[in-house]
Amino acid sequence: AQKVTQAQTEISVVEKEDVTLDCVYETRDTTYYLFWYKQPPSGELVFLIRRNSFDEQNEISGRYSWNFQKSTSSFNFTITASQVVDSAVYFCALSVRGGADGLTFGKGTHLIIQP
Amino acid sequence: NAGVTQTPKFRVLKTGQSMTLLCAQDMNHEYMYWYRQDPGMGLRLIHYSVGEGTTAKGEVPDGYNVSRLKKQNFLLGLESAAPSQTSVYFCASNYADEEGTEAFFGQGTRLTVV
Repeated sequence: AQKVTQAQTEISVVEKEDVTLDCVYETRDTTYYLFWYKQPPSGELVFLIRRNSFDEQNEISGRYSWNFQKSTSSFNFTITASQVVDSAVYFCALSVRGGADGLTFGKGTHLIIQP
Repeated sequence: NAGVTQTPKFRVLKTGQSMTLLCAQDMNHEYMYWYRQDPGMGLRLIHYSVGEGTTAKGEVPDGYNVSRLKKQNFLLGLESAAPSQTSVYFCASNYADEEGTEAFFGQGTRLTVV
């Protein structure tokens, strides 16, 4: 069975600060996929990134960056120079078998960016 | 592009009533899923389908049934609603390949059982 742990239930920072959301995963499969989704106050789920287990390269997309480390089973997400619009719940998720069995989600981190 | 559409978006049921949630996708995806989201619990998989005519149980299947008679539709049924089924329900779909493509989610259905 798979497990995803997001230990930070809620984080509050002031706008323009950098913030890192932690994600630790567990799986016995050697091929797996990691995801981050954003859920803004409006409630929809917005896909942010996918990473497969064979690609440990970090990725940067604008103010967002992701650090994947297999040695520590972590897939952390950093927002640089945070903005109020980044306020949302962020979910880390894991799938195996190409997603046939669905996603295993962490419990989410509620990020509050104060102006 | 409609993507994944859930019907209805809101519903209030009385305990013991039944209802069906409809999920429709227009992306020709093989895989479809139903999740529920409860405060502090993240999203948990209820049932899923890997193709037309197939269904399987997820993490929290009790009290729900599903059907996938057409590839584009995935129905979630509650035969006798209970207050514990008050939740936000999300449908999702994605392609069947070995690359683990991302799932596309519907807007969610907020269900309250009183």
